[in-house]
Amino acid sequence: DVKVTQSSRYLVKRTGEKVFLECVQDMDHENMFWYRQDPGLGLRLIYFSYDVKMKEKGDIPEGYSVSREKKERFSLILESASTNQTSMYLCASSSLAGGHTGELFFGEGSRLTVL
Amino acid sequence: GQNIDQPTEMTATEGAIVQINCTYQTSGFNGLFWYQQHAGEAPTFLSYNVLDGLEEKGRFSSFLSRSKGYSYLLLKELQMKDSASYLCAVLDSNYQLIWGAGTKLIIKP
Repeated sequence: DVKVTQSSRYLVKRTGEKVFLECVQDMDHENMFWYRQDPGLGLRLIYFSYDVKMKEKGDIPEGYSVSREKKERFSLILESASTNQTSMYLCASSSLAGGHTGELFFGEGSRLTVL
Repeated sequence: GQNIDQPTEMTATEGAIVQINCTYQTSGFNGLFWYQQHAGEAPTFLSYNVLDGLEEKGRFSSFLSRSKGYSYLLLKELQMKDSASYLCAVLDSNYQLIWGAGTKLIIKP
């Protein structure tokens, strides 16, 4: 059974804290993505990566950074959390043949609350 | 700008049929996806349309009209487990996915 695993389902952090969200996939996929999901809005792409050590900015990269040191792992970092980063964060992966054209496999999400 | 429109919420009865519409205005088109997302869970892939017409997959069908910028997801023989949000997403000319806000479908007995 294919799987995308996000390290934490629920996190509560304080303003200014550094936050790490980890995502691991076991499907040997080349492409990995970080989205945030807010009520009334569509999924918004934060960052994506098509290969190890590669990263590309999505639509809303401000306040975030990412790291992809290994193919299976894609980390999202909030250098200094702010209250407007309170959201559901979804990690996804897809195969090289798909890129964004193919099926995305999502993790179950990490709900972050910044106080 | 790029825009995907779908109804915020719909209600239907168990055993019935429901159609969830999605209209889009994007810079180019390279396909349209439907995903299902149960509350508190990950979105899961339902369908992909790139050519006009109807694609049927069991109780679920997805239709596309590129000239009208329109798609719908048709769910037949509704079951309680179909209560979920349904997300429409379009792949634009740059192969970037543009997502709608989702339609919450409520199934009543």
